[in-house]
Amino acid sequence: AQSVTQLGSHVSVSEGALVLLRCNYSSSVPPYLFWYVQYPNQGLQLLLKYTTGATLVKGINGFEAEFKKSETSFHLTKPSAHMSDAAEYFCAVSDRPSGNEKLTFGTGTRLTIIP
Amino acid sequence: GAVVSQHPSRVICKSGTSVKIECRSLDFQATTMFWYRQFPKQSLMLMATSNEGSKATYEQGVEKDKFLINHASLTLSTLTVTSAHPEDSSFYICSAGGTSGYLHEQYFGPGTRLTVT
Repeated sequence: AQSVTQLGSHVSVSEGALVLLRCNYSSSVPPYLFWYVQYPNQGLQLLLKYTTGATLVKGINGFEAEFKKSETSFHLTKPSAHMSDAAEYFCAVSDRPSGNEKLTFGTGTRLTIIP
Repeated sequence: GAVVSQHPSRVICKSGTSVKIECRSLDFQATTMFWYRQFPKQSLMLMATSNEGSKATYEQGVEKDKFLINHASLTLSTLTVTSAHPEDSSFYICSAGGTSGYLHEQYFGPGTRLTVT
């Protein structure tokens, strides 16, 4: 069974400051990891994903995440927060890269940007 | 590419009636579609997985007779909430994926907000 833990249901950062959203996973097989962003009343948009290969993954909107197997983590970072980054962020895991596989989501982190 | 639409985006229905939500993959063929439910300020809960031409697989605790899922073609899946009650009010999101070129992730629809009065 797989699971995802997102530490911090709410994170607030100042505009221009570093964004760090934490995600830890549990998986009995090599995981495939995803970060999604959700704006109010909208569906999910993929920010980035880790399948195999390079452990530092770069995504859209300046976000990146690093897969650390030893720490079972996949934290999301962005060097400089922008007001438009305010949204809900979900970390997810699956045991295969296929779009046929169900995703297990974390509980989400709401990111607030302080002007 | 990889656009998934949902219709309607919002629906209000009376208690006891049924409502159908459509999920379409607009520019690719989706062998698999997923239906999620999201309560306010909570995560997504997978309700069921549907594969084209076969019966949906429901997650534990999801009433298959209440939430009818049909995946009749490679571009369309429908979720019908039968005899809706106020507790069925929620945000329903579908995702699609699975065929060549779209194997490595799911593509999400914009969601449907259902309000049962």
